[in-house]
Amino acid sequence: GESVGLHLPTLSVQEGDNSIINCAYSNSASDYFIWYKQESGKGPQFIIDIRSNMDKRQGQRVTVLLNKTVKHLSLQIAATQPGDSAVYFCAENSPTGANSKLTFGKGITLSVRP
Amino acid sequence: NAGVMQNPRHLVRRRGQEARLRCSPMKGHSHVYWYRQLPEEGLKFMVYLQKENIIDESGMPKERFSAEFPKEGPSILRIQQVVRGDSAAYFCASSPPGTARRTGELFFGEGSRLTVL
Repeated sequence: GESVGLHLPTLSVQEGDNSIINCAYSNSASDYFIWYKQESGKGPQFIIDIRSNMDKRQGQRVTVLLNKTVKHLSLQIAATQPGDSAVYFCAENSPTGANSKLTFGKGITLSVRP
Repeated sequence: NAGVMQNPRHLVRRRGQEARLRCSPMKGHSHVYWYRQLPEEGLKFMVYLQKENIIDESGMPKERFSAEFPKEGPSILRIQQVVRGDSAAYFCASSPPGTARRTGELFFGEGSRLTVL
């Protein structure tokens, strides 16, 4: 069956350091992989996505890496800031027909130490 | 440019009562999705709707739950005869036609937190 999961529940980093958040997935049919950020009391916010035919994509201070061989996805945040403290979810998009249902992982909490 | 609007933000119900959660998508978005989030869990897909049509309700419990997105007005997620296990945050998301299928980018509201006593 489909599952998306995260290796570690929490990550604590020093402000200014780089953060790496990892995720495993199992559905080889997924064509997009997405990272969302959720701050306390708010809804998830799209960060970045990557198509299945790519292995790396960069955004502003964030990089997503996709390793389809081992079904692994990671989010790298450069120069982590206090505002990056949140729960991060990986998700996969496996469209079938008209649907674009996202399957989310459980989430990992990123805590930034000042 | 208002984002996805959900109300109420917090709702308390006693067991057996009904809960109605409303969602207005972003302007120009015709696709609405409902997700449920249990404490310290990821989001679980419930239903995907377009105006006046339910496209995919594979994540909806078979009983007591229903959703609609009428031609006019917000999308409604309705939970009848609530039980304690229904306590969760319910998030609505919207997307313009076609984009979510291509990228997976959804625009989420702030959620409605249901507490069943």
